[in-house]
Amino acid sequence: DTAVSQTPKYLVTQMGNDKSIKCEQNLGHDTMYWYKQDSKKFLKIMFSYNNKELIINETVPNRFSPKSPDKAHLNLHINSLELGDSAVYFCASRQATRETQYFGPGTRLLVL
Amino acid sequence: AQSVTQPDIHITVSEGASLELRCNYSYGATPYLFWYVQSPGQGLQLLLKYFSGDTLVQGIKGFEAEFKRSQSSFNLRKPSVHWSDAAEYFCAVGANTNAGKSTFGDGTTLTVKP
Repeated sequence: DTAVSQTPKYLVTQMGNDKSIKCEQNLGHDTMYWYKQDSKKFLKIMFSYNNKELIINETVPNRFSPKSPDKAHLNLHINSLELGDSAVYFCASRQATRETQYFGPGTRLLVL
Repeated sequence: AQSVTQPDIHITVSEGASLELRCNYSYGATPYLFWYVQSPGQGLQLLLKYFSGDTLVQGIKGFEAEFKRSQSSFNLRKPSVHWSDAAEYFCAVGANTNAGKSTFGDGTTLTVKP
């Protein structure tokens, strides 16, 4: 049973397109995250949601819009994709009272 | 503000040799500390964590880490490295709040020579 899953695993698209990445966790966790890992493997937090409420927004361009329809899902929609958006995007989740995060397998986004 | 420094960008060790990966953190209160491993093309897997109590924590795959408050360090160690340990290692510091923000270091790439 996959704890944190992401779809798609790979995404290749043209500049200017709009795309979405989906994340689901079956751990019953209250908090979910999106991270971006660039080509140098630096891992930076983008967003955090707790019980469907946005908690952290780390100065991410407003082309990125997270949406949490319920506690188990946190989707990431990206408008007007740019070359610099090419990266691996990781979803993660954790319980509200413990700090261990469980990561999804990542979505490898390539913008051409 | 919390921060994490991993001074070594890349480390190469021979198989069977001992390993120590350095991590220094900055945090205003008692930190929660983590080490994650990322194999090529994979997601991040938790190796071990420190919340409180014994400052020497044991993790999976034979790894251990020691929390030293006086040095603001949480170095990862393994007595004998296996070729399968070649990966990217991330140290992270976090706080147990609803915001739950964890800050990651920039990672250390481990290469294992046969």
